[in-house]
Formats: sequence, C-alpha cells, structure tokens
Amino acid sequence: DAGVTQSPTHLIKTRGQQVTLRCSPKSGHDTVSWYQQALGQGPQFIFQYYEEEERQRGNFPDRFSGHQFPNYSSELNVNALLLGDSALYLCASSQTPSGGYTFGSGTRLTVV
Amino acid sequence: AQKVTQAQTEISVVEKEDVTLDCVYETRDTTYYLFWYKQPPSGELVFLIRRNSFDEQNEISGRYSWNFQKSTSSFNFTITASQVVDSAVYFCALSEDQAGTALIFGKGTTLSVSS
Repeated sequence: DAGVTQSPTHLIKTRGQQVTLRCSPKSGHDTVSWYQQALGQGPQFIFQYYEEEERQRGNFPDRFSGHQFPNYSSELNVNALLLGDSALYLCASSQTPSGGYTFGSGTRLTVV
Repeated sequence: AQKVTQAQTEISVVEKEDVTLDCVYETRDTTYYLFWYKQPPSGELVFLIRRNSFDEQNEISGRYSWNFQKSTSSFNFTITASQVVDSAVYFCALSEDQAGTALIFGKGTTLSVSS
C-alpha cells in the first residue's frame, strides 16, 4: 500500500520563476494538506484541500496556490519565486478532514 | 495566538541512556490536541502520539512515554534506553482538531544517539 507520494524529490529554480509540486495521497485518502519546512524549522501549514476546494489556509501570500483533482491528487503552485521560498514542501493526506494525516517525504525546492 | 516551543535544539546521548524532549505550548482554546512527530533523514513526518486537552493521563508505548501537564502547558516526551535508530528530529505540534489539521509545529529537537 503506497503512502503519500510527492514529485519531484528535488528541484532547483531561479528567482522569479514559477514551480508546480505534485502529491498523490495515500490510497483511500481524500484530503490533502501542504506544509513548508524551512531549514532548521518546523513545518508551517500552507493550505488544505478537500472535495477539490481549498478549505483552510495558513499565513501564506497569494503566490502560493493549489489545486485538487477528482482523483484526490493535488498540486502546489508557487509564482514569482523568492530565495526565501527555498524549503522542503511536505504533503499530507487523510481520509476525510477528520482522519489522521500521513505525510510524504517532501519535495526539496532550492531557489537560486 | 497559538505557539509551540521546543527549547532544546539538539541533544546528544549514548545508547541506553534515557532522554526527555521538552515541549511547551500556548493556546487560548479550551479544546485542543497535542502531537509528537518523528522526522528521520528521509524527510517524512512519522506520527507518534496525539493527546486531547481533556486527557492528562500519561501514556507509555514501549520505550516511549509522554507526560502531559496542563498546569504547566507542557507535553514532554521521554525515550527510555535510547537506541541509534531513535536518532531523528522530533517535533511537538498543536492543533484545534483531532485530525491534526493546520498543525502548529515547534522548531524541533534533533536527537543524536551514538553507540
């Protein structure tokens, strides 16, 4: 039983570019959350998607947007990348918003 | 505002030593949930335990135990007889709901266990 799958595992982008990160939830899970983890810090909640809609959002600018597809997979898009966006981006999925979350191994984004 | 503080940035112990990781939280909610996660070098966060604000019973799971004290807003984690495989970053987190939506994490404690 595959857990949460994220792609790519590593990514290098130039300041000002746009990036899309992908997440496939654990089988049977329909809710996806995204977190940003800067080096040496704890993860910070970006947003949660359920039924293809953004349900909750953390304190992140509009440059961060997302999408959830009918198969429950999700994308995180970041526009106008800043050096400070360099981080590990973690996806977590659950079965309905009330279920416990399973985390993926993340995508390491480096902005140069 | 909600906040989680893990004052210990790094801890180094020798195998078989006991180690306690501290966690202090702040919240104005009367109902809240506390979590501990382990993050090995591979990156994924591994769920260890969830506690709700109404259950102050200490919990033991094998070599792991947790001490929840509302009076001091603390939720400490003890590993007994530590092993090299326990080496990881440990995070304490706070959420308004039991699922752990919109978790507020501390900065983590890096535990290094040497043989």
